Amino acid sequence: EPEVTQTPSHQVTQMGQEVILRCVPISNHLYFYWYRQILGQKVEFLVSFYNNEISEKSEIFDDQFSVERPDGSNFTLKIRSTKLEDSAMYFCASSKLRAGLEGEQYFGPGTRLTVT
Amino acid sequence: DQQVKQNSPSLSVQEGRISILNCDYTNSMFDYFLWYKKYPAEGPTFLISISSIKDKNEDGRFTVFLNKSAKHLSLHIVPSQPGDSAVYFCAARRSGNTPLVFGKGTRLSVIA
Repeated sequence: EPEVTQTPSHQVTQMGQEVILRCVPISNHLYFYWYRQILGQKVEFLVSFYNNEISEKSEIFDDQFSVERPDGSNFTLKIRSTKLEDSAMYFCASSKLRAGLEGEQYFGPGTRLTVT
Repeated sequence: DQQVKQNSPSLSVQEGRISILNCDYTNSMFDYFLWYKKYPAEGPTFLISISSIKDKNEDGRFTVFLNKSAKHLSLHIVPSQPGDSAVYFCAARRSGNTPLVFGKGTRLSVIA
């Protein structure tokens, strides 16, 4: 069964450093998302991406964040200058179609980002 | 701003019995509701969904009920199995390619 994959599984970085989190969505999916979950809190939406542009973004997704689909398979989240409060699990998700039965979002296993 | 609420942080059920997980929402613009299951160190796994035009959707041991007037949905698992032990997230979204809004989750423990 196809699945969303994410690398690395755990990333430790120093405050102020740039990080890139990588995702390979399911191959025939068209919509891509990033969510995050700070320890003990709920899963929160960051950004959605379709047709090579951002569809929607949350208040969390400020100028320090960017997304890119550099080729036909990868989807990346970049944090330019990490802060301590960026420490969280970051989940990539993808979905096939806009809505309805095919609109379910399938999640990757997550990348645990630790900012020290 | 809790648009999706799961008021029970945990639930413990005996193997073979029914598990009922509850979820309330406040945004009347939501028209699609989903349940995800999450094991430690894994991403949320899609379980079952329901559109706002329905009041029930069943898939094997899992049934989701939607009461639009009460803005309430529930997930029934019957019979519960030890492998069902996980955190269950309720999520909702508006129509179209819109982001999921998650509840805080309910940790289900199925005791053998």
